[in-house]
Amino acid sequence: SQQGEEDPQALSIQEGENATMNCSYKTSINNLQWYRQNSGRGLVHLILIRSNEREKHSGRLRVTLDTSKKSSSLLITASRAADTASYFCATEEGGSQGNLIFGKGTKLSVKP
Amino acid sequence: DSGVTQTPKHLITATGQRVTLRCSPRSGDLSVYWYQQSLDQGLQFLIQYYNGEERAKGNILERFSAQQFPDLHSELNLSSLELGDSALYFCASSVIPFHEQYFGPGTRLTVT
Repeated sequence: SQQGEEDPQALSIQEGENATMNCSYKTSINNLQWYRQNSGRGLVHLILIRSNEREKHSGRLRVTLDTSKKSSSLLITASRAADTASYFCATEEGGSQGNLIFGKGTKLSVKP
Repeated sequence: DSGVTQTPKHLITATGQRVTLRCSPRSGDLSVYWYQQSLDQGLQFLIQYYNGEERAKGNILERFSAQQFPDLHSELNLSSLELGDSALYFCASSVIPFHEQYFGPGTRLTVT
């Protein structure tokens, strides 16, 4: 079952612009994680934000979490062509054993 | 490189056959997770092991089984294969549950 739903499904921007992706989920969570996947390859962990955190930064990445709205956003600042990939949010549901429920992802294209 | 290894990278087999996918987690990680990624279903959690014991089950078919061995490597067995089982199968590991998961490069299974 899909827990997270990313929005938009696809995003095309120019190099240097910021990219914002949103994720909504349905149930209570322990934490929410963002992953990147280059075409047909493995997923790369980007950032984990726990349910009691509201914002987290890692390099050019900024993640926010609003548990009252059951939503999260991933901001990539000053995007580069190398950021072209699919981005997934994944949630650990409250009461789960730590397994992740993934959304369908946002396909980001950064044009040089 | 996440430190998680999976073999084989590609597997082509016929319907009705049985295959075994292998995963070696990152050094020190006790939790292993298996996920299936297909075009229509997206990324689906299959099963989780922690220190040799099954901890959680997701959308895993009865034709599929897995185990984690004392050296912590894991195998996913897929039997009576059907065309619809064609997918990317990912293994991930984490130190303990509820921490960041690190994904292997995946095994691409094609059932003909």
